Amino acid sequence: GIQVEQSPPDLILQEGANSTLRCNFSDSVNNLQWFHQNPWGQLINLFYIPSGTKQNGRLSATTVATERYSLLYISSSQTTDSGVYFCAASFGNEKLTFGTGTRLTIIP
Amino acid sequence: EPEVTQTPSHQVTQMGQEVILRCVPISNHLYFYWYRQILGQKVEFLVSFYNNEISEKSEIFDDQFSVERPDGSNFTLKIRSTKLEDSAMYFCASSQWGTGDGYGYTFGSGTRLTVV
Repeated sequence: GIQVEQSPPDLILQEGANSTLRCNFSDSVNNLQWFHQNPWGQLINLFYIPSGTKQNGRLSATTVATERYSLLYISSSQTTDSGVYFCAASFGNEKLTFGTGTRLTIIP
Repeated sequence: EPEVTQTPSHQVTQMGQEVILRCVPISNHLYFYWYRQILGQKVEFLVSFYNNEISEKSEIFDDQFSVERPDGSNFTLKIRSTKLEDSAMYFCASSQWGTGDGYGYTFGSGTRLTVV
């Protein structure tokens, strides 16, 4: 099955800073999603992005499918951005496989 | 925006007891899933369900687990005899056409199961 790796595992930033989270995947995918896990444990879907670029407010994501990676950008970080960010990918009818996540901590 | 609804949000049970976790997927979705996340770890696949049968299951999904779609709206995960190591957050998800459908998977808010 697909292997999904995320980096960095931990990231600590001052409020207002920008951040880039990376997701590498081992095989071709036609489903790639970014999630934010909030302090209550809920998985909030941020982007469905098997290829190309999308933006939603301060967040944007880019997936380069041919090079098997995706990036999540967070600009002007706020304390509410803290939490764990997961990338997950799949191909065809295979199960969605999650990476191990990036724990983001935004310091006021 | 359509949601996947899970109940209960929290459940505490004694070791050896049976628990049923409930999910209401999005109404026009055809594929249903259960995932598990032990505290501090990654989200792990348990089982997928399509056309009233299991389409794939992981090695975690052993004989103590079962899934059912008892009616047109609910999707349940049963753990027959809970163990301490079953303590985790359990997520239900649904998808319209499987994967690659332009929408991805929608996850519920999870049920936090604590086995004591």
